[in-house]
Order: sequence, then structure tokens, then C-alpha cells
Amino acid sequence: GNSVTQMEGPVTLSEEAFLTINCTYTATGYPSLFWYVQYPGEGLQLLLKATKADDKGSNKGFEATYRKETTSFHLEKGSVQVSDSAVYFCALSNDYKLSFGAGTTVTVRA
Amino acid sequence: NAGVTQTPKFQVLKTGQSMTLQCAQDMNHEYMSWYRQDPGMGLRLIHYSVGAGITDQGEVPNGYNVSRSTTEDFPLRLLSAAPSQTSVYFCASSSIAPTGELFFGEGSRLTVL
Repeated sequence: GNSVTQMEGPVTLSEEAFLTINCTYTATGYPSLFWYVQYPGEGLQLLLKATKADDKGSNKGFEATYRKETTSFHLEKGSVQVSDSAVYFCALSNDYKLSFGAGTTVTVRA
Repeated sequence: NAGVTQTPKFQVLKTGQSMTLQCAQDMNHEYMSWYRQDPGMGLRLIHYSVGAGITDQGEVPNGYNVSRSTTEDFPLRLLSAAPSQTSVYFCASSSIAPTGELFFGEGSRLTVL
């Protein structure tokens, strides 16, 4: 079946630090991969996506590259801000079902 | 811009009671789904629908029923609530199954005593 494993948190960083959240997956076929973000008290929002191997998704300074050889989709941002504090979810889509990782809580301190 | 609307936002039930979580979307999306979010477990798919009249089970369907009589609405029913169903529930919709962007509601927090 499909599964997503992401780095456990919580992660606490200072402003302007480099952020990376690891995500690996198990799936049959050729899934699409996503990062969703959840701000406090809100539903999830799509942050970025990649639909095939070697695609790079990017948005708001965040990037992730679909690596089929390592079955990974790690999220990175070069310089975080306090407003990036949120819970980040890695997800994959296969056969009309979206499977999520457990989520990583990121706190950025000023 | 309504998007995906869930009601109620908060609900407390006693064990054995029944209730329906409502979900409505105004984006004419064919695909709709229900997730539950529990600490340390991410989101788990309960049921989904690829169009009016079509529903299917997700990862954790036991104890929940759904129906899809219209494109806009996708209610989730708990027939006999149990404490294990205490969770935050999210409804989400998409125009192109889940390969496109999923749009989420704000969530419904359910407590079963």
C-alpha cells in the first residue's frame, strides 16, 4: 500500500535559518507528491506539488524535488520567517486516495 | 469566497449518540473526501467520493457512513459515537481527484464522552 514517512518534530529554528524536513514514501506506480501546510486553527493548504520524477515544486521560498531513485520529497527553505511557523505535511496521491505523513511542527523564533 | 464549508465547528457527544457533520463546496468539484486528524498520526482518509452517487471507503471507514446525493454536499454520519472517534474532522474537495489541489474546510472538532 501507500505510505508516507516524514521527519518527526517539533523543529524550532531562529529566523533566517535553513529549514529542511525529510519525507520518504512507499507507493506502487507513479504517485504525485505534495507538501501541505496547516497554520494554527486552520485547515490544510497546498504549499507545493510535483507530479513526476525529477520535478521540482516551489512556492513562497519553499522547494522540494521528486526523487524516484531515493523515493524522497524533502522540503527546504533557505531563510525562514516567523510567519512560517506551522505544521507541514508530506502527502502522496495514488488511485484517488491522498495519503499523509504524520506532520512536522515547525516553530520559528524571532 | 465560501470554498469548503463545514458545520458544526465544535460538537460534544455522549457515547452512543448519533450526529452528522455537514460539508458543502461551491466550486463544482467532483471529488470530495473526509479525513480525521489525530496527534502524531497525520490525516487519515475515512471516505471519499468521485461524483454524485459514488462513494468509497478510505483507510479508516468503520463507524462512519457517507452519501453523495448532490455535487455540492458530502455529509459524514456517525451512527453510534464512541470515544475513539474523538478527533478533528476535515472535509476536502478537488476538481481532479486528488492529483490536483485539495481544498480543505476549517475542520470540525468532535469530542465523544
